[in-house]
Amino acid sequence: SQELEQSPQSLIVQEGKNLTINCTSSKTLYGLYWYKQKYGEGLIFLMMLQKGGEEKSHEKITAKLDEKKQQSSLHITASQPSHAGIYLCGAYRNAGNNRKLIWGLGTSLAVNP
Amino acid sequence: NAGVTQTPKFQVLKTGQSMTLQCAQDMNHEYMSWYRQDPGMGLRLIHYSVGAGITDQGEVPNGYNVSRSTTEDFPLRLLSAAPSQTSVYFCASSYVRGSYEQYFGPGTRLTVT
Repeated sequence: SQELEQSPQSLIVQEGKNLTINCTSSKTLYGLYWYKQKYGEGLIFLMMLQKGGEEKSHEKITAKLDEKKQQSSLHITASQPSHAGIYLCGAYRNAGNNRKLIWGLGTSLAVNP
Repeated sequence: NAGVTQTPKFQVLKTGQSMTLQCAQDMNHEYMSWYRQDPGMGLRLIHYSVGAGITDQGEVPNGYNVSRSTTEDFPLRLLSAAPSQTSVYFCASSYVRGSYEQYFGPGTRLTVT
């Protein structure tokens, strides 16, 4: 099973609608990253959340970290076709003396004009 | 700055053929890594490097070799391609290992027949 579970797996919304994507961890979260992948392209860093309760915004995208729930949510307000793509969350896990970056499977977002 | 560049963008190989996927970055990043992305499996780390001359294995290193003779370049070699290596390959770099922001290349879509 995935250490980072994303929901929903896919989402289709009408332009202008709000939406939320969740990323839930099976272990304690010390920090969480959100990336966006446009279809057929690489990943682009959106934002990083480090502390419980932290909230960050980038244009119309807001992400929050709830450490108690071991969950982060990504909220898009008034969605636009440019928001379409795959949203991935990532988090570091301690692995012995090293840290390992793990990833969710992604949420595919389509925005219909 | 070109960022992280990858070549080729697409490649079709026959089983048993060898090839090298190229990755270069012009940001003077110490840390570079290779991922493969497969449906239902997400991003998986193949190999990584924390600096010129230093490489190490990730989660799924079998069938792949890497070297890091310069800070800028981190090629990935497939010694004897297998259909199981059909995937999209991403190269990423960051200032240091554990850095929260990684820069990704556009990916190489590889099909092995």
